[in-house]
Amino acid sequence: KAGVTQTPRYLIKTRGQQVTLSCSPISGHRSVSWYQQTPGQGLQFLFEYFSETQRNKGNFPGRFSGRQFSNSRSEMNVSTLELGDSALYLCASSLDGRNEQFFGPGTRLTVL
Amino acid sequence: DQQVKQNSPSLSVQEGRISILNCDYTNSMFDYFLWYKKYPAEGPTFLISISSIKDKNEDGRFTVFLNKSAKHLSLHIVPSQPGDSAVYFCAARELGAGSYQLTFGKGTKLSVIP
Repeated sequence: KAGVTQTPRYLIKTRGQQVTLSCSPISGHRSVSWYQQTPGQGLQFLFEYFSETQRNKGNFPGRFSGRQFSNSRSEMNVSTLELGDSALYLCASSLDGRNEQFFGPGTRLTVL
Repeated sequence: DQQVKQNSPSLSVQEGRISILNCDYTNSMFDYFLWYKKYPAEGPTFLISISSIKDKNEDGRFTVFLNKSAKHLSLHIVPSQPGDSAVYFCAARELGAGSYQLTFGKGTKLSVIP
């Protein structure tokens, strides 16, 4: 069974730009969660989607948004990028979001 | 306000010995706990989990212990191997309908010395 895939793996943007990251969950998994990992803060929860609906949201500004499609694939968008948005963005999928989440390799975003 | 704390940023252990990674939490609503291992440039890999109704769960060389009264859990790796060198994250899930986010600690970097 293929794992969680994320594209692109690396991205360099400048302040003020926007970015879209993509995540394809494990086949059959309907829940997709997004996390931001930075050296100082560890993994912080962004949001979780299930059946195309945002079910839970972390404490991030409205510049961070996401969506999920009918095939469970998910995208997250960050608008008006700031230097502090430089991080590893991780996507995780699970059957229904209740138990084990399986992570993708992440997208390394650098904002210059 | 950090609800899941891993107070040791790093740990070094000799190959073959036991590695004990600790995790403390403050939220009494957490009902499910997980450990993940992360290598550089990879996403976290699920290792082992435990429900709050249990106090121990074993899977091969990995055992997780949960002490609810102390709000403390630990991961034991026996025997430790060089391939276990990685960052280990403790995570917790909060009980409640519609609340499926995981709260992570900041990780402990384990180095197993050959």
